[in-house]
Amino acid sequence: GAVVSQHPSRVICKSGTSVKIECRSLDFQATTMFWYRQFPKQSLMLMATSNEGSKATYEQGVEKDKFLINHASLTLSTLTVTSAHPEDSSFYICSASRPVGDTDTQYFGPGTRLTVL
Amino acid sequence: GENVEQHPSTLSVQEGDSAVIKCTYSDSASNYFPWYKQELGKRPQLIIDIRSNVGEKKDQRIAVTLNKTAKHFSLHITETQPEDSAVYFCAAVPTSGQKLVFGTGTRLLVSP
Repeated sequence: GAVVSQHPSRVICKSGTSVKIECRSLDFQATTMFWYRQFPKQSLMLMATSNEGSKATYEQGVEKDKFLINHASLTLSTLTVTSAHPEDSSFYICSASRPVGDTDTQYFGPGTRLTVL
Repeated sequence: GENVEQHPSTLSVQEGDSAVIKCTYSDSASNYFPWYKQELGKRPQLIIDIRSNVGEKKDQRIAVTLNKTAKHFSLHITETQPEDSAVYFCAAVPTSGQKLVFGTGTRLLVSP
C-alpha cells in the first residue's frame, strides 16, 4: 500500500510555456500533499504544502504565482509551472502523507524531470 | 525553524563493511526522524524511521539510533552490499507541523 504516482515522468518544453504535473495517491486518501524540487546532487527542497480544498502554503522564496498548486481531491494534487524558463529545469517530486500510528508518514512519487529549453 | 545537518557527504566502503551516517537537528521539539534512500533519478524511499520516545530501532541490516539530549540520530548499515549504493537522506519533523526537514544527503558507495 501507499503508492503515489506522478505524471508525466519527463517533460521538455520551450521557454515561456506552462507545464502541469499531476500527483496521485493510488490506494489511500491524502489530506496533505507536498511538492519538492531537487537540483542535481542536492537535497529535496520543499516548495509548498497542499491541503485538499484549501490554498497551498508556500515556502519562503517560492513564487506562488509561478508555481500554481491545486488540490482538487483527496487523491490528486497538481503543480503548474507557469511561463517556464531554463532555470526552472529541475526534478520535481510530490509526496502524500498518511497517518501511521501517531505520525504522518510521507510517501513519494517517482518524480518529474522538467527540462526547459 | 528546524535545521538538519548530515555527515559525511560521501562515504565509500568495501562490501561487507558497516556504514554509519550521522545527523543533528536543532529543534528539540522534533519528534519523528525518517531515513530515505534515493537511487539516481528515482523517488526517495523510506527505509526506517524512529520516533522520539524510542532510542533505537532495527530492521535486519539497518538500524537507527536517537540521542534526544544531544539532538542527533544515526543510520547504521551492517554487511553492506553493492545494492546499498545510493544517496541517503535523514529528516526531522518538528511538532509544529507535518513538514519534513531534510539533511543534505550522503552518497554511499559500496565497492564489491
